[in-house]
Amino acid sequence: KNEVEQSPQNLTAQEGEFITINCSYSVGISALHWLQQHPGGGIVSLFMLSSGKKKHGRLIATINIQEKHSSLHITASHPRDSAVYICAVSGTSYGKLTFGQGTILTVHP
Amino acid sequence: DTEVTQTPKHLVMGMTNKKSLKCEQHMGHRAMYWYKQKAKKPPELMFVYSYEKLSINESVPSRFSPECPNSSLLNLHLHALQPEDSALYLCASSHAVQETQYFGPGTRLLVL
Repeated sequence: KNEVEQSPQNLTAQEGEFITINCSYSVGISALHWLQQHPGGGIVSLFMLSSGKKKHGRLIATINIQEKHSSLHITASHPRDSAVYICAVSGTSYGKLTFGQGTILTVHP
Repeated sequence: DTEVTQTPKHLVMGMTNKKSLKCEQHMGHRAMYWYKQKAKKPPELMFVYSYEKLSINESVPSRFSPECPNSSLLNLHLHALQPEDSALYLCASSHAVQETQYFGPGTRLLVL
């Protein structure tokens, strides 16, 4: 079993839909990260959180430390949101991120 | 300047070649990272530098040799690579370890 599990692995949506991507982890963490990777490679860090909830534009990330679970929500999805979304956790190994397998999101117009 | 730059964007090399990948940031970050990413897989950490000192080596083969000549620059020297080393090599930096990482666009490496 991977230390970081994401679901779903693939997600297809119509423009405007509300999207949720889930991440569960089994290790102690200092923080959880949500990353976005577009085709072509570049990775953008969306959120780093250790408790509660963060919002940036149409993106919302939440974390429940007791349940070892985080969600990334996208409101009013748009085709430009199509990308791979990766959950990663930073734990006790100084500077090391442990990555989930990623969720491939496709938003159709 | 809020970006991490990587050169070259693409690199094709033979198994006997020696080449280097370069990563640069001018954000004053003191932690820098090398990752390897195969197609349809998440990144795998290779090395972490903190204050120009190697702090993590994830059991990477010696044909990959990192170097951090100063706080803005990170190199990855490549020698006698294998075809299975073909991948996207990503550099990242952060203000300190355990903080938000900023990624470069990557170097796509093909070993023939």
